[in-house]
Amino acid sequence: QSVLTQPPSVSAAPGQRVTISCSGSSSNIGNNYVSWYQQLPGTAPKLLIYDNDKRPSGIPDRFSGSKSGTSATLGITGLQTGDEADYYCGTWDSSLSAGVFGGGTKVTVL
Amino acid sequence: EVQLVESGGGLVQPGGSLRLSCAASGLIVSSNYMNWVRQAPGKGLDWVSVIYTGGSTYYADSVKGRFTISRDNSKNTLYLQMNSLRVEDTAIYFCARGTMAGLGYWGQGTLVTVSS
Repeated sequence: QSVLTQPPSVSAAPGQRVTISCSGSSSNIGNNYVSWYQQLPGTAPKLLIYDNDKRPSGIPDRFSGSKSGTSATLGITGLQTGDEADYYCGTWDSSLSAGVFGGGTKVTVL
Repeated sequence: EVQLVESGGGLVQPGGSLRLSCAASGLIVSSNYMNWVRQAPGKGLDWVSVIYTGGSTYYADSVKGRFTISRDNSKNTLYLQMNSLRVEDTAIYFCARGTMAGLGYWGQGTLVTVSS
């Protein structure tokens, strides 16, 4: 059972938009920055979003992040077959004094 | 270019020990927050430990008292000493640079298998 809650899967057709939610509490998302990662099969995770809503250099603006209260959201627009991957949210938990990840969401392009 | 290369994984019996290494190039380990993150086969990401630039360390409850994170500044290398290993510690172990606000660089991972 992960500290952060994500839907197990989401799907949409090519070109469409998907959103992935990440729900936590005041000890983690509510008072700390959120990051998002993409993991393609057999590879290491890749940072997509940092500090809630910032994109590292090289990440297309099709990917966006937002945070409100104790929840965060990753949005992917113009869905492509190459976006099929597992996506994870992460943050620090001040009560646990530990890093925490969501359980991951598998994105399927129909 | 930043590169993180993990090594030291392998097969170990329950109760055994293993030391993982993460050799860094393109960044100075002691000037960065450095983490270990693991992923059990077919499962999600699981944060393990972090060492701050000042030397403070933090651990997941599941490994506290058994694992120790450290670094060798002269070798620019991060370590994870794992003792009293359990079957449930079986995973790919990644080192990653940054804070949980954004782990920007990851190694390719090293596989640890705990089995009799």
